[in-house]
Amino acid sequence: ETGVTQTPRHLVMGMTNKKSLKCEQHLGHNAMYWYKQSAKKPLELMFVYNFKEQTENNSVPSRFSPECPNSSHLFLHLHTLQPEDSALYLCASSQESRGDTQYFGPGTRLTVL
Amino acid sequence: AQKITQTQPGMFVQEKEAVTLDCTYDTSDQSYGLFWYKQPSSGEMIFLIYQGSYDEQNATEGRYSLNFQKARKSANLVISASQLGDSAMYFCAMSFYNQGGKLIFGQGTELSVKP
Repeated sequence: ETGVTQTPRHLVMGMTNKKSLKCEQHLGHNAMYWYKQSAKKPLELMFVYNFKEQTENNSVPSRFSPECPNSSHLFLHLHTLQPEDSALYLCASSQESRGDTQYFGPGTRLTVL
Repeated sequence: AQKITQTQPGMFVQEKEAVTLDCTYDTSDQSYGLFWYKQPSSGEMIFLIYQGSYDEQNATEGRYSLNFQKARKSANLVISASQLGDSAMYFCAMSFYNQGGKLIFGQGTELSVKP
């Protein structure tokens, strides 16, 4: 595997479900990010982790819970989501979180029913 | 306020011709980076090119070049010899050294290459 991978690629869930999105980077980077891309809107930064420590939480509702067990893996745990949370969720990584180029995964397209 | 503006929601270009995608930005910071990403319909955000605010020469990567005009706060992407595979959304983005890696994105330009 190379670059940044994300699983699953597509996810449909009900409002009462609990699911997790997984991201893995194979680039030896130390920073990882979650972004949300809703239809017709620019990408919105959700969370930043640098050396496994969360350094940014962009006022994200608590129904989104990130986890970064090591510099290569990032999870986004989802529970009691709303239909407006349906979007493309993109993971990215960079050498460090200081403005370095970010490399993105293919995204998880989430639909909340 | 820090902001990226892409004023062209959609663009058409003939195959093999060059096209310029506009990007202007607003910041009072002196140290920043400018990026262009391509997003095909599959969804993946593909890094194309980077320009640092202190770089005096315009960045180039293959068929992509970034026309950086610092005084005008513009960072236009030029794609030479367009190919059908260039049809995609293109996003301009900006980051800052002292802001934890936060990338600020524009609204994007949808480029369609005609055969």
